[in-house]
Amino acid sequence: RKEVEQDPGPFNVPEGATVAFNCTYSNSASQSFFWYRQDCRKEPKLLMSVYSSGNEDGRFTAQLNRASQYISLLIRDSKLSDSATYLCVVNAGNMLTFGGGTRLMVKP
Amino acid sequence: DVKVTQSSRYLVKRTGEKVFLECVQDMDHENMFWYRQDPGLGLRLIYFSYDVKMKEKGDIPEGYSVSREKKERFSLILESASTNQTSMYLCASRGGYSYEQYFGPGTRLTVT
Repeated sequence: RKEVEQDPGPFNVPEGATVAFNCTYSNSASQSFFWYRQDCRKEPKLLMSVYSSGNEDGRFTAQLNRASQYISLLIRDSKLSDSATYLCVVNAGNMLTFGGGTRLMVKP
Repeated sequence: DVKVTQSSRYLVKRTGEKVFLECVQDMDHENMFWYRQDPGLGLRLIYFSYDVKMKEKGDIPEGYSVSREKKERFSLILESASTNQTSMYLCASRGGYSYEQYFGPGTRLTVT
């Protein structure tokens, strides 16, 4: 079983749609959680951290459920520029473990 | 702005060659990492370093070695390149008090 699992997609959605991605992790000792974004042929960049109480950054909302070891990312009012791969990232100790990513394609 | 640079964007090498991939960061970060990224497998950690001359194996260190002689520079070495080492190689760095990793632009290595 992979340590961090994501649906690879692709998720094809029209502009303006709301889309949600999920991620599960296996290490119950994980302490910190993140979503990274990776554009095609580019390096990953931090999108947002994920806190137990849930957090929002503009159109993006992240949720964490420690009991179920589950993380989610919700994108509202999708834009063409949101098209990318979204990586779920979990840390335990000094290391980050990356999920395989979920590809999002927003269509006009 | 944090800047992580890698010596080459694209590299083509022959089987059996020794390959050096260089990574430099300008933020005085203690921690540096080498990953490879393959379709369907995601990012996998090869080696990391938490200080000068210190190194730790990641998940897939076989066939690779690293060198960190200066804080800003972390090198990945393929002692004898093989075709299964064809991949995208990403370097990253992070400071001591944050989990945010900053990535370089990547080196796409092809071994023929």
